[in-house]
Amino acid sequence: AQSVAQPEDQVNVAEGNPLTVKCTYSVSGNPYLFWYVQYPNRGLQFLLKYITGDNLVKGSYGFEAEFNKSQTSFHLKKPSALVSDSALYFCAVRDSRRSNDYKLSFGAGTTVTVRA
Amino acid sequence: EAGVAQSPRYKIIEKRQSVAFWCNPISGHATLYWYQQILGQGPKLLIQFQNNGVVDDSQLPKDRFSAERLKGVDSTLKIQPAKLEDSAVYLCASSFNRGTNEKLFFGSGTQLSVL
Repeated sequence: AQSVAQPEDQVNVAEGNPLTVKCTYSVSGNPYLFWYVQYPNRGLQFLLKYITGDNLVKGSYGFEAEFNKSQTSFHLKKPSALVSDSALYFCAVRDSRRSNDYKLSFGAGTTVTVRA
Repeated sequence: EAGVAQSPRYKIIEKRQSVAFWCNPISGHATLYWYQQILGQGPKLLIQFQNNGVVDDSQLPKDRFSAERLKGVDSTLKIQPAKLEDSAVYLCASSFNRGTNEKLFFGSGTQLSVL
């Protein structure tokens, strides 16, 4: 079975400070990892993904994420947070061994609040 | 490009009533998904279509939920009869294909409240 854990329900940071949103995963095979962001009253928007290759992945809006196989983690980072980054962030995983469907397993989400 | 369209935006019904949601994916997207997002939880896949065929409906409560995607374009999700625990946001998403690294495009969702 595949699963994702986001250990923090909420993350609060001051504008201009680094932002980190944590994610750990569990899969049988190799993971395909994704981050999505959800703004109020909006659908989820894709931020970035890791499929293979470089462990540091760069995505939209200045976000990046680092894949760490030994720690089974895929933490989302931004060097300098903006108030507009305040939103709900979801980590998702798909097991590469699953070839017949595209079932993403999402974490419960982390609410990020960036204060001015 | 136009995004994934969903309607209605909100729906309030009483338990045991029926309800239907509609989704129009991005033009050209072969794969369509319905997710259920309960407050405080991440989205859970209910059903996945590839064109007009069902790829995965293993988590769809088939005794009360049904979905179809006629002509491989827009889709409807129906609940009959609704239960209190069906209160959630129902998200529709689409992708160009069902490749392993495909990103999903989500609609704004339909927020369902069952009283």
